[in-house]
Amino acid sequence: DAGITQSPRHKVTETGTPVTLRCHQTENHRYMYWYRQDPGHGLRLIHYSYGVKDTDKGEVSDGYSVSRSKTEDFLLTLESATSSQTSVYFCAISAGGEETQYFGPGTRLLVL
Amino acid sequence: GESVGLHLPTLSVQEGDNSIINCAYSNSASDYFIWYKQESGKGPQFIIDIRSNMDKRQGQRVTVLLNKTVKHLSLQIAATQPGDSAVYFCAENTNTGGFKTIFGAGTRLFVKA
Repeated sequence: DAGITQSPRHKVTETGTPVTLRCHQTENHRYMYWYRQDPGHGLRLIHYSYGVKDTDKGEVSDGYSVSRSKTEDFLLTLESATSSQTSVYFCAISAGGEETQYFGPGTRLLVL
Repeated sequence: GESVGLHLPTLSVQEGDNSIINCAYSNSASDYFIWYKQESGKGPQFIIDIRSNMDKRQGQRVTVLLNKTVKHLSLQIAATQPGDSAVYFCAENTNTGGFKTIFGAGTRLFVKA
């Protein structure tokens, strides 16, 4: 987890409220990713970024938006949280798009 | 092996024995493979990787074998220790219809002392 932090680490929220998760890196890597991890599924990509202000959707992007205003920070926003978004969210970084991804410690989100 | 069910496959080994964890990957065009270890409550941790032009790569106490003919990847852990208890999953990098990384669901390794 060195060089990658996520905040908050745990959050409980109510359905319909907005939630923003933050990923911060000190590695100066170009690529950043947001994944969710649920029982019975591998990590599933939500959104990723290939540079400042450059982002693209992953396979489960509905209900999520992202922003990257500087290299070190990648924000994931749930505009109106739903119970189906209860999950563990991981941020990852990589130097290049085809390079190894390194993961943060995760954020456990519970939507009631 | 990998599973898409609700319960991860589990491998239980005695401390000091060797462990072999298997992964069947999905895309014959994948050219880069990674093994991750995930301990409870933590993020996935990189263990070892291998490119498709190789069939074996060794690290410290770990070896990854790649069989492209049957799209199979394995992770061997020598002299398994209690600290090796975790979920292990493979990932494949593919560039078909756009570059992406596909992660397997994982295998839980339990080491008995």
